[in-house]
Amino acid sequence: QQQVKQSPQSLIVQKGGIPIINCAYENTAFDYFPWYQQFPGKGPALLIAIRPDVSEKKEGRFTISFNKSAKQFSLHIMDSQPGDSATYFCAASMTSNTGKLIFGQGTTLQVKP
Amino acid sequence: ETGVTQSPTHLIKTRGQQVTLRCSSQSGHNTVSWYQQALGQGPQFIFQYYREEENGRGNFPPRFSGLQFPNYSSELNVNALELDDSALYLCASSLGPGRQETQYFGPGTRLLVL
Repeated sequence: QQQVKQSPQSLIVQKGGIPIINCAYENTAFDYFPWYQQFPGKGPALLIAIRPDVSEKKEGRFTISFNKSAKQFSLHIMDSQPGDSATYFCAASMTSNTGKLIFGQGTTLQVKP
Repeated sequence: ETGVTQSPTHLIKTRGQQVTLRCSSQSGHNTVSWYQQALGQGPQFIFQYYREEENGRGNFPPRFSGLQFPNYSSELNVNALELDDSALYLCASSLGPGRQETQYFGPGTRLLVL
């Protein structure tokens, strides 16, 4: 019940394409869903986050779609660029868990020029 | 304002040894969380320290222990190292322990256990 399942494991798109990464969770107590971006040799960095009372959130070229009834959320990257090539992690946490983040397995994105 | 820093960057140990990893939190942050990231996996929560006290622990054995100092920097200690402890160890600092506080990650310490 503590797991967050992420797919696909890897993704290759052309520059300008819209990669979509999906995550699913079981525990309905989760109430905060961030996405992190990680470049090789670096720690994860927060990209964007959403709470379950909102169905969509946009920040620049990054959009989170959230489906509370299906217990799923996804990250869309508009007009993707080669610089977006990185590993993306979805995560979830709950108020009662002191901010402990439960991460998905990660998606390695390659954006070809 | 400096970000989260960790030392050392890389470390090689042999099975059975002990290791100490260090983390300096971002200025103004009083909470530090530690995560273990195995190759090709997402980070897994080890524990969190808030104002020098452990404030939550993941599914890790007692040989994983930690400290937080008055300046909010932190140490992760691992005793009796096992081969499976080989991983990237990440620390993250935040303004507080709640889930609404963004966690800022350091670059990690890569530990190899032979």
